[in-house]
Parts: sequence; structure tokens; C-alpha cells
Amino acid sequence: EPEVTQTPSHQVTQMGQEVILRCVPISNHLYFYWYRQILGQKVEFLVSFYNNEISEKSEIFDDQFSVERPDGSNFTLKIRSTKLEDSAMYFCASSVQGADTGELFFGEGSRLTVL
Amino acid sequence: GQQVMQIPQYQHVQEGEDFTTYCNSSTTLSNIQWYKQRPGGHPVFLIQLVKSGEVKKQKRLTFQFGEAKKNSSLHITATQTTDVGTYFCGAGNNRKLIWGLGTSLAVNP
Repeated sequence: EPEVTQTPSHQVTQMGQEVILRCVPISNHLYFYWYRQILGQKVEFLVSFYNNEISEKSEIFDDQFSVERPDGSNFTLKIRSTKLEDSAMYFCASSVQGADTGELFFGEGSRLTVL
Repeated sequence: GQQVMQIPQYQHVQEGEDFTTYCNSSTTLSNIQWYKQRPGGHPVFLIQLVKSGEVKKQKRLTFQFGEAKKNSSLHITATQTTDVGTYFCGAGNNRKLIWGLGTSLAVNP
């Protein structure tokens, strides 16, 4: 069964360092998303991406964050200068159609720990 | 912006008891989706409701969408230990899905 894959599964970094989280969405999907979940809290929307551009972003997704689809398969989230409060589980998701039309498929997440 | 409220936040039940979680919005929703996240896992899609008053069943799970399309519920009949996890409702548009806080279900065997 096709699945969304994410790497790394866990990353520990020092505050102020740059981090890149990688995702390989399901191959025929056209919509891509990043969500984050601080431990024990709800899943928060960060950004959605369609047709090679950001379609919507939340207030969390400030200038420190960027996304890129560098080739036909990868979808990356970059945090330029990490802060302690960026520690969370980051989930990538993809869907065939828009978020309100059908199922979002989530990866298993990348746990980011900022020290 | 659009928000969805979920209650209760936590619920403990004995195995075999029923469980219900509710999702409410102040605005009319075009549709609502339900996801389940097992402890330490990632969200997994359960169902999407689109029509006013819609009711859908998946084995012991019953999903309802309110007539006014402002609320939804998930009811589990005769809970099992495999039902443990957090149940999220989500609503939004084609660009994003906004989630409620989730209801964490614990089932005592």
C-alpha cells in the first residue's frame, strides 16, 4: 500500500541551527501539507502546497519556515534558525484532491528536539 | 479563523462501555473529517461526512453530521482496548484542514 515516508524519524539539534525535514508524498498525490504536534497537544496546520507553490499557511509558519519541492518526489520543510519552542513532531501529509474533498495520508512523523 | 471545538478532552471507559465524542463549530461546515491517532502514532483517516444529517457506520463506529452542518459526533459501541487513542475531527477548505483538540480515549480491560 502506498504511504507517505518521512526522514529523519528523530532529529536533535541545537537552538539556532537549521533543520530540514524530508517527506516523500504518495506519488499520484497533488496536495502536500505540513502539520506539527507539540507533545500531548493537538495537530496544528502549518502549510499547504499545490502546483509548486504555497496555497495557504498558518500564523505559525513565519519567515523561519520554508517549504520546497526540489524534485518530483520530495517535499521538504526547512526551519532556518530553530527555537526551543519548535520542538515537536512534524507530520507531512498528502492527498489526491484538496483537504476538504478526501483523505489526507500522513507520514509517521519526524520528531524534532531543540536543545 | 475557522475553529472546531471538541468535547470531552479525555475519557476513560471500561471495556464494553460506549463512548461518544462531539465536534462543534460556530460556522457552517462544508464537510467534516474524523481521524484516529494511536499513542505514538500518526493520524489515520476514518471517514468524511458531507451531507446535512448524514449518518455513516463502520462496524462499531457511528458518525453523524448535524442537520445544520455545525456539529458532528463519533460514537463507539462496546469499546475494545484497540479503540484506545485520540480521535480528531477536522474541517476546512481545499487548502487546509483545521483540527479540534481531540478526545483521548482510554479503555480499561
